[in-house]
Amino acid sequence: GAVVSQHPSWVICKSGTSVKIECRSLDFQATTMFWYRQFPKQSLMLMATSNEGSKATYEQGVEKDKFLINHASLTLSTLTVTSAHPEDSSFYICSARDYQGLGGTEAFFGQGTRLTVV
Amino acid sequence: AQSVTQLDSQVPVFEEAPVELRCNYSSSVSVYLFWYVQYPNQGLQLLLKYLSGSTLVKGINGFEAEFNKSQTSFHLRKPSVHISDTAEYFCAVSAHNQGGKLIFGQGTELSVKP
Repeated sequence: GAVVSQHPSWVICKSGTSVKIECRSLDFQATTMFWYRQFPKQSLMLMATSNEGSKATYEQGVEKDKFLINHASLTLSTLTVTSAHPEDSSFYICSARDYQGLGGTEAFFGQGTRLTVV
Repeated sequence: AQSVTQLDSQVPVFEEAPVELRCNYSSSVSVYLFWYVQYPNQGLQLLLKYLSGSTLVKGINGFEAEFNKSQTSFHLRKPSVHISDTAEYFCAVSAHNQGGKLIFGQGTELSVKP
């Protein structure tokens, strides 16, 4: 299957700083990328949907000024957690669908990023 | 809107025993159905998916699932589990008109004991 690379796999940052997480589709073009957040022992909660070249669509309750999403190319989307606080500590996962995918086409997932804010 | 309910949060089972992980969904529109597996501190790997056609879907690692439209269910089964199947399993749906957006169930922790 197609490969989605997420970087970094883990990061520790100080409270008040910003952290950028990258999501790359390595062998296909991704018009749509999704960002999820997962708390321990819980399910994945969709944060936002990003489409290449346009603004991201955020789910209800997600602060778009805090979680900045950029999808500047067909192979890269970034999530920036701004002014991070300990409650932002979580596992963040991205997924990507290929350019010509139909609605049921598989979305490929990155390996996730463990963010710890101290 | 769509929702997914995984009826069991934890399923302990002995090695080589059969297992069924239950999933029910709710949707006012047609959906695609998926099962994913997640190992600790990793992303998700697709086990299988139902798009259309035969209601019995076979996936990787010996797993299969059956789509039952009347019962709005998509239960995952494996006739004989291995220790290596120990992981978290997520059922997910994607509405036909939602551009691939996945809604996940709460997850089922499968624990295979020797």
